[in-house]
Amino acid sequence: EVQLVESGGGLVQPGGSLRLSCAASGFTFSAYLMHWVRQAPGKGLVWVSHIDGDLSTRYADSVKGRFTISRDNAKNTLFLQINTLRAEDTAVYYCARDRGGGFFDSWGQGALVTVSS
Amino acid sequence: DIQMTQSPSTLYASVGDRVTITCRASQSISNWLAWYQQKPGKAPNLLIYKASSLESGVPSRFSGSGSGTEFTLTISSLQPDDFATYYCQQHDSYPLSFGGGTKVEIK
Repeated sequence: EVQLVESGGGLVQPGGSLRLSCAASGFTFSAYLMHWVRQAPGKGLVWVSHIDGDLSTRYADSVKGRFTISRDNAKNTLFLQINTLRAEDTAVYYCARDRGGGFFDSWGQGALVTVSS
Repeated sequence: DIQMTQSPSTLYASVGDRVTITCRASQSISNWLAWYQQKPGKAPNLLIYKASSLESGVPSRFSGSGSGTEFTLTISSLQPDDFATYYCQQHDSYPLSFGGGTKVEIK
């Protein structure tokens, strides 16, 4: 069974940093492109970033330069380093697996990041 | 960037109703469209990909159609478990983008 489990969320002050992790199991992690998608409270879904098996990355313009996606294929773990946090970054952050075509066939339960002083 | 627009934003329906949700893309995306269901406090769940391909395990009352810029998700006979929010997502090009969501509520 495919499982994705996020961790690392929490309350952070504006300007602070956080690293989210997503532990994957039940599939060959290195073979899949992985994404982060976020959802602000009461709002819709927004794609944030992806990383391919060969470590190539893409970012939404709104997070470029502040967010860094990475992965450790030996530990089956996906990461999202978030720097210079802003109030508008407050959201639940989901990691998601790409079936192969840019859509998401498995999701984690989400990690809540709250940016507030 | 491709903008995705869903309508309606809220839909009131009864158990057994046939329900249709529309999603429009700001430019042609061929058939590169997915649909997700999300319940409160839960992660989204994939229903349909490539506009009309039903994800394994998803009930056959869900169907998708369309191509180019206009797409629909249809629930043939609404069940109590189907009251949720539905999102479309284009998977034609980056940045990937979602519609604003359609909340299906009990009439």
